[in-house]
Amino acid sequence: DVKVTQSSRYLVKRTGEKVFLECVQDMDHENMFWYRQDPGLGLRLIYFSYDVKMKEKGDIPEGYSVSREKKERFSLILESASTNQTSMYLCASSSIRQGNHQPQHFGDGTRLSIL
Amino acid sequence: RKEVEQDPGPFNVPEGATVAFNCTYSNSASQSFFWYRQDCRKEPKLLMSVYSSGNEDGRFTAQLNRASQYISLLIRDSKLSDSATYLCVVKPDSNYQLIWGAGTKLIIKP
Repeated sequence: DVKVTQSSRYLVKRTGEKVFLECVQDMDHENMFWYRQDPGLGLRLIYFSYDVKMKEKGDIPEGYSVSREKKERFSLILESASTNQTSMYLCASSSIRQGNHQPQHFGDGTRLSIL
Repeated sequence: RKEVEQDPGPFNVPEGATVAFNCTYSNSASQSFFWYRQDCRKEPKLLMSVYSSGNEDGRFTAQLNRASQYISLLIRDSKLSDSATYLCVVKPDSNYQLIWGAGTKLIIKP
């Protein structure tokens, strides 16, 4: 089974802090994604990466950055946390083997509260 | 108009009944379609892919209607454990991204 591990299930930070969310996958997947999920809005893509050191902006990248120094690890950084970044953050990975239509496998999520 | 639209529900259904819900998508060039299931306070998990000819997995049947740009999910003989939010997901061609619906909440009652 694919295992995607997020570093924290729950996190509380203060406005203005720099916040790091870590994600590791063990299936040698090429693609990794960071989403946030808010009630009534569904999953919104923040950033994704299709290879080491490669990154692409998703739909809502403002206020976030990412880092992918190793294939198995994809980090999301909130440069200066704000209260509107309180949300559930989900990391996912997928393979591009056997064509380009592979489902995404998710971590347990990090529920982040910014006070 | 949202790219992927779902009725948020909740659908309240008695155990053993059959329930179906649809999802519409706006990009006619979309190539891949999925249903994910998300339990309360849990991560989404792939339920099934949706193939052009329709496909079945046990009590679950998925259909694709390209002409009307919708996909459907039918659950037969519903169980209490089917209670969850069902997320419709569409993948445009030659793109890494998935487009997610906001989900349909299903509650199965004894």
